[in-house]
Formats: sequence, C-alpha cells, structure tokens
Amino acid sequence: AQSVTQLDSHVSVSEGTPVLLRCNYSSSYSPSLFWYVQHPNKGLQLLLKYTSAATLVKGINGFEAEFKKSETSFHLTKPSAHMSDAAEYFCVVSDFPGTSYGKLTFGQGTILTVHP
Amino acid sequence: GAVVSQHPSWVICKSGTSVKIECRSLDFQATTMFWYRQFPKQSLMLMATSNEGSKATYEQGVEKDKFLINHASLTLSTLTVTSAHPEDSSFYICSAPPPGLGTDTQYFGPGTRLTVL
Repeated sequence: AQSVTQLDSHVSVSEGTPVLLRCNYSSSYSPSLFWYVQHPNKGLQLLLKYTSAATLVKGINGFEAEFKKSETSFHLTKPSAHMSDAAEYFCVVSDFPGTSYGKLTFGQGTILTVHP
Repeated sequence: GAVVSQHPSWVICKSGTSVKIECRSLDFQATTMFWYRQFPKQSLMLMATSNEGSKATYEQGVEKDKFLINHASLTLSTLTVTSAHPEDSSFYICSAPPPGLGTDTQYFGPGTRLTVL
C-alpha cells in the first residue's frame, strides 16, 4: 500500500524568503510523485511531477522538488516566496505509474501563508 | 491544455433529496474518470473510479447505492448523491486522465460544493 505524509499542516513565511514544504512517502513500487496546489475556490493545479527521471524536478512558478529515495522524501521548495503562493499544497503519490489502473493518494495538505 | 469541467459549482439541497453532479472532459476523451471527496480542512479521498461502458469501481467504505456513478460517454461522468443527508455535505472533485499517459496524470475539475440542509 502507498501513503503520503506531509509533515506540516501549516507553514508561514515572509514574502521573499524561502519556502520548504515537507513530504515523506511510502510505496511498494517505484512511485510517481506529484505536488499539487489548490487556491481557494479553484481547482487543483499540478506544480510538478517526478517519474524516475531526474531526481531534481523543476515545476511551475519557481517551485522545485527533490526525490530522495534513501530518505523516502519529496520536499517542495522555492527560493523566494510571493504573496500569490499562499494556498494549500498537496503531496501525491501514484501506484502503478504509467499504467491504466494507477490511483492517486493525497497527503493531508499544507497550508502556506505568506506575510508581506 | 486539458480541461475538465464540473457542474454545478455549488448546490444546496434539502435532506432526503438527490443531487446530480456532472464531470466533463472538454478537449479529450476519457475512458476513466475519478471522483474524490474533500471534507473541510481535510485531504482528498478517492471515492470511486468511473469507467466508460462498465460499472464504476468503488473504494472501500463508499456506498455504491448512495453514490451512483454513470459514465455515459467518453466525455461525461455523473455522480448522483441519493437521499442526501447533512453528513454528505462536502466538496466533490472529479478528475480525468488524458489518453495514452496512464492514470497517474490527471486533470482535475474545479469541484462542486454540496451543502445538505
């Protein structure tokens, strides 16, 4: 069985400072891992996706994440937070990646607050 | 890019009534769609997998007779909450994977907020 644990339910940063959202995963297979962002009253948007290619994945809006198999982690980072980054972020794992019967398992979510 | 829509975006209904939520893939065909439920301040939980032309597959603990799923065409799946009760109030989100990429690449609809009075 697969699972995802987001280590922080809330993260608060000042605008212009770095962002770190932590995620650990458990999977019996070689997983695909994702970060999604959910702004209030908007649909989930894919930030980035890891699929066993490069371990450092660059996404949209300056976000990136590093897959560390030895630590079973997939932490999301951004060098400099912007007010528009305030949202809820979900770490997601997929079993059977690339197949037609994979399912997504969502982490509990991390609410990012950005202070001026 | 791939777009998935949901209708309605929000609905309020009386306890005991049924509510239908539509999920459409606007620019691609989807033989599979997924339905999720998100309670306030909680994560998304997969409810069921909707399969075009066959029965939906429900996750453990989800009542198939209460949450009726019909995947009528390659671009439309519907979720009907039957005999809704206040505890069914939630945010319902659908997703669809574009063909050829596997189901782990999913595009999400904007969600439907259901409030049962």
